[in-house]
Amino acid sequence: NAGVTQTPKFRILKIGQSMTLQCAQDMNHNYMYWYRQDPGMGLKLIYYSVGAGITDKGEVPNGYNVSRSTTEDFPLRLELAAPSQTSVYFCASSYSNRLTGGYEQYFGPGTRLTVT
Amino acid sequence: AQSVTQLDSQVPVFEEAPVELRCNYSSSVSVYLFWYVQYPNQGLQLLLKYLSGSTLVKGINGFEAEFNKSQTSFHLRKPSVHISDTAEYFCAVSEDYGGSQGNLIFGKGTKLSVKP
Repeated sequence: NAGVTQTPKFRILKIGQSMTLQCAQDMNHNYMYWYRQDPGMGLKLIYYSVGAGITDKGEVPNGYNVSRSTTEDFPLRLELAAPSQTSVYFCASSYSNRLTGGYEQYFGPGTRLTVT
Repeated sequence: AQSVTQLDSQVPVFEEAPVELRCNYSSSVSVYLFWYVQYPNQGLQLLLKYLSGSTLVKGINGFEAEFNKSQTSFHLRKPSVHISDTAEYFCAVSEDYGGSQGNLIFGKGTKLSVKP
């Protein structure tokens, strides 16, 4: 299994440009997540999905959009890039059973985005 | 609302010395607790987790953590560190909603630097 994969690894955007960060997992996990990591701030949840067709906002959703048309893929869209979106973005997935808890999340290698 | 505090942003230690990375949390309900490690330019990898039962949890690479409910802590320990343990460590908590699980909340991270 490849686990969680993310593309691209690095990207530089100009202010106002748009782009899509790709994320895919091959573990048949129902839950997927997008985080951003800023130095000294830990990870902040942007959006998450509990299954195909279902998404919900996390702690810092402004400026981003997501969709989940398949179990495997969970792309993150930036419509009008701003310098405040310079960050490292991580995608993660997990299997969650509503009857039990304690699941762990599996992380991708990250996308380093710079907006200038 | 739940929160996670990692008391030390940086911990320098000499090789073969013991180390403790501190984590405290706040929550009004039962929680699941996790420690993740992030090596430079990589994603996060699970070290260990506490779900229930024994309060002493053993993880990979010789790490262990102890859940202390009265002190709302989940400190990470290793009796003898190696140069290869140099990384950033994140404590994370999610709330237990009677079996189902809330989203992960991460601390800001502790950078462990092991010196020869």
